[in-house]
Amino acid sequence: SYALTQPPSVSVSPGQTASISCSGDDLSNKYVSWYQQKPGQSPVLVIYQDDKRPSGIPERFSGSNSGNTATLTISGTQALDEADYYCQAWDRRAVIFGGGTQLTVL
Amino acid sequence: EVHLVESGGGLVQPGGSLRLSCAASGFTFSTYWMTWVRQAPGKGLEWVANIKQDGSEENYVDSVKGRFTISRDNAKNSLYLQMNSLRAEDTAVYYCVRGGAGWAAAGTSRYYYYYMDVWGKGTTVTVSS
Repeated sequence: SYALTQPPSVSVSPGQTASISCSGDDLSNKYVSWYQQKPGQSPVLVIYQDDKRPSGIPERFSGSNSGNTATLTISGTQALDEADYYCQAWDRRAVIFGGGTQLTVL
Repeated sequence: EVHLVESGGGLVQPGGSLRLSCAASGFTFSTYWMTWVRQAPGKGLEWVANIKQDGSEENYVDSVKGRFTISRDNAKNSLYLQMNSLRAEDTAVYYCVRGGAGWAAAGTSRYYYYYMDVWGKGTTVTVSS
């Protein structure tokens, strides 16, 4: 079955750029979405169809997808961006989630 | 405002059954795919099942096939998850989620997309004796 792989954790300093990767076989042939989940809260969609931002999501969130890797980029990272981030794709009539990446802003 | 409110969670013994419900409001329920996603304590997100707008297509993760059934009542703006033969590993928070799906062009190709843009607060299911 198809699998998406994310690094367990990423650290970034406030104001810097955070990049979270998501890898899978021929991932560029699929559309990738990204979700942010803060402790005790429901996930929130931050990127869909590789690089589209839902209304209300700050412009500092962007996405890309090329080759076998999709990337969520957070520019000018703020303390409130500290959260778990999950990538997601669709494969053979199934929703696939990555294992999640804990973003620490320190 | 768009809302999804889950109910029906609780404590159940292994082998037991539970029916989750999700009440939708603020959007035209019958025009969206709907999804159940779960999250075990301290773990990541796991897709459970989804259902097409008219109920004509259902998809399930392998671990729940034959035990769980997703359904919907568009007249009542409601989504359901019937869970039978419950196991300890089904213990999780279950989220009701609105899906966005379709085909889109990328270069000279077309790819299917499925994303989840509205999430409920979840209902907790605990399977334990």
